[in-house]
Amino acid sequence: DVKVTQSSRYLVKRTGEKVFLECVQDMDHENMFWYRQDPGLGLRLIYFSYDVKMKEKGDIPEGYSVSREKKERFSLILESASTNQTSMYLCASTLGGQGAFGGELFFGEGSRLTVL
Amino acid sequence: RKEVEQDPGPFNVPEGATVAFNCTYSNSASQSFFWYRQDCRKEPKLLMSVYSSGNEDGRFTAQLNRASQYISLLIRDSKLSDSATYLCVVNPGNNRKLIWGLGTSLAVNP
Repeated sequence: DVKVTQSSRYLVKRTGEKVFLECVQDMDHENMFWYRQDPGLGLRLIYFSYDVKMKEKGDIPEGYSVSREKKERFSLILESASTNQTSMYLCASTLGGQGAFGGELFFGEGSRLTVL
Repeated sequence: RKEVEQDPGPFNVPEGATVAFNCTYSNSASQSFFWYRQDCRKEPKLLMSVYSSGNEDGRFTAQLNRASQYISLLIRDSKLSDSATYLCVVNPGNNRKLIWGLGTSLAVNP
């Protein structure tokens, strides 16, 4: 089975703190994604990556950065957390071969971040 | 008009019932479509993909109506374990980002 593992299920941080969310997938997938999910807003794409060291902005990249130094790992960084970044963060991966968005998305269990 | 629209529900149905959800999309050039299932406080998981007119998998049938720009999900013989939120996802093609609906909530009652 494909496994996407997110390092922290629940985090509580203070405004202004730097936050790292880590995601690792074990199926050699080309594409990796970071989404956030909020009630009434659904899933919104923050950043994605189709290759090591490559990154592309999604719909809401402001306030976030990402890092993909190895194929299996995609990190989301909040340089200075703010209360409006309180959310559920979901990492996902796809195999590739059908474009970045053509295949089944495999999600991690999510990281629920609260910024106080 | 939103790019992808779903009735949020909730749909409350008894066990054994047949229930159907629709999802409308605005981009007529959209290439492919997906239904994901999301349990409460869990991650979405792919339920079905729809690339042409439809797809069937056991009790679940997805149909695509390109003329009217909607996809449907039919669940027959509902089980308690079908209680979840069902997310409609549209791939607009040309390597553009997926468009997610807000989901339809289903509660199957004993």
